[in-house]
Amino acid sequence: AQSVSQHNHHVILSEAASLELGCNYSYGGTVNLFWYVQYPGQHLQLLLKYFSGDPLVKGIKGFEAEFIKSKFSFNLRKPSVQWSDTAEYFCAVTASGAGSYQLTFGKGTKLSVIP
Amino acid sequence: DAGITQSPRHKVTETGTPVTLRCHQTENHRYMYWYRQDPGHGLRLIHYSYGVKDTDKGEVSDGYSVSRSKTEDFLLTLESATSSQTSVYFCASNGGHHTDTQYFGPGTRLTVL
Repeated sequence: AQSVSQHNHHVILSEAASLELGCNYSYGGTVNLFWYVQYPGQHLQLLLKYFSGDPLVKGIKGFEAEFIKSKFSFNLRKPSVQWSDTAEYFCAVTASGAGSYQLTFGKGTKLSVIP
Repeated sequence: DAGITQSPRHKVTETGTPVTLRCHQTENHRYMYWYRQDPGHGLRLIHYSYGVKDTDKGEVSDGYSVSRSKTEDFLLTLESATSSQTSVYFCASNGGHHTDTQYFGPGTRLTVL
């Protein structure tokens, strides 16, 4: 079974600072990777996903993530955060070929952006 | 966003009572999922369905049952609610391909006293 680790529980940044949130997964086979965001009081929304091709994936709202297979990592980045990016961010993985295509989530990283 | 609704949005109940949460989707998605979200645990899969009347257990299925009699509806039942089932419950759906995005509903906040 696959698992996901998110290294930071809570990250606090000032506006305009750069962001990198770590995500590592554990699985020996081919994976599909996702980053979801949950704004306060709202449901999860997809930021970006990777399943093949260019390992640098661009998503909505200026976010991007890089899949590094050798490091089992899929870190999320944004060059300049805004107050509106305050949210909780979840990395998730599905194993290609698994019959049910269940998502396994990390525990989440809460991002607080200070104006 | 996909058309996924959940009802009720909030519920307070007492230990030992049965509770049913409903998820409704208008996307004709084949797969539907129930998760619970707890601080420090992220989202954990309770049950999922891969078609009408086809369901299977997830990571934290004890104390929960599900039913899917129509493509658009997926019900989660707590037969006898316990305080450990106080949580926020999210429903999701997708077409079932391994690259498909799962689309989430707005959540149900359940408190068991």
